[in-house]
Amino acid sequence: KQEVTQIPAALSVPEGENLVLNCSFTDSAIYNLQWFRQDPGKGLTSLLLIQSSQREQTSGRLNASLDKSSGRSTLYIAASQPGDSATYLCAVSAGNQFYFGTGTSLTVIP
Amino acid sequence: NAGVTQTPKFQVLKTGQSMTLQCAQDMNHNSMYWYRQDPGMGLRLIYYSASEGTTDKGEVPNGYNVSRLNKREFSLRLESAAPSQTSVYFCASSEGHMSSRFGAGTRLSVL
Repeated sequence: KQEVTQIPAALSVPEGENLVLNCSFTDSAIYNLQWFRQDPGKGLTSLLLIQSSQREQTSGRLNASLDKSSGRSTLYIAASQPGDSATYLCAVSAGNQFYFGTGTSLTVIP
Repeated sequence: NAGVTQTPKFQVLKTGQSMTLQCAQDMNHNSMYWYRQDPGMGLRLIYYSASEGTTDKGEVPNGYNVSRLNKREFSLRLESAAPSQTSVYFCASSEGHMSSRFGAGTRLSVL
């Protein structure tokens, strides 16, 4: 069974700092990996999707990388802002399902 | 706006009561999903439907039933609610293995 782990569970950084969130998965047979953002009391918003044949995707200040062979992905956030405060989840698509990590709760301190 | 719509947004039930959570998407996606989210446990798949007319169990299907009414709608039914089913429920849809879209969630409390 696919297991997805996110470390750290919580992270607090001062505004302007660059940061990296980590995601690891146990089975490399995936179709893609997706990063989501979840604000308190809200649903999930898709940030980036990396197909299994790709190495990275970029959107604005966000860059996600994928190393399928080692079962790892990172989400890099440049020049963090207080508005980036949220929980970030990664999910891998395998079989007919998406498997989610438990998320990293990010707080950016003004 | 295109997206996934869930109703209701909030619900309080007494143990043993039944209810149906509704979900509709207008993106013509084939696949639809029901998840529950609990503190410290992430999102766990309850049931999914890979296409109209098919449904399959996910990780935590006990106590739930689903109906894929048509391509747009996928409902989740609790026949006899239990306190352990207190959770936030999310419906999602996707086209195959492409990016999935989520609804805003239903916050359910079972007393």
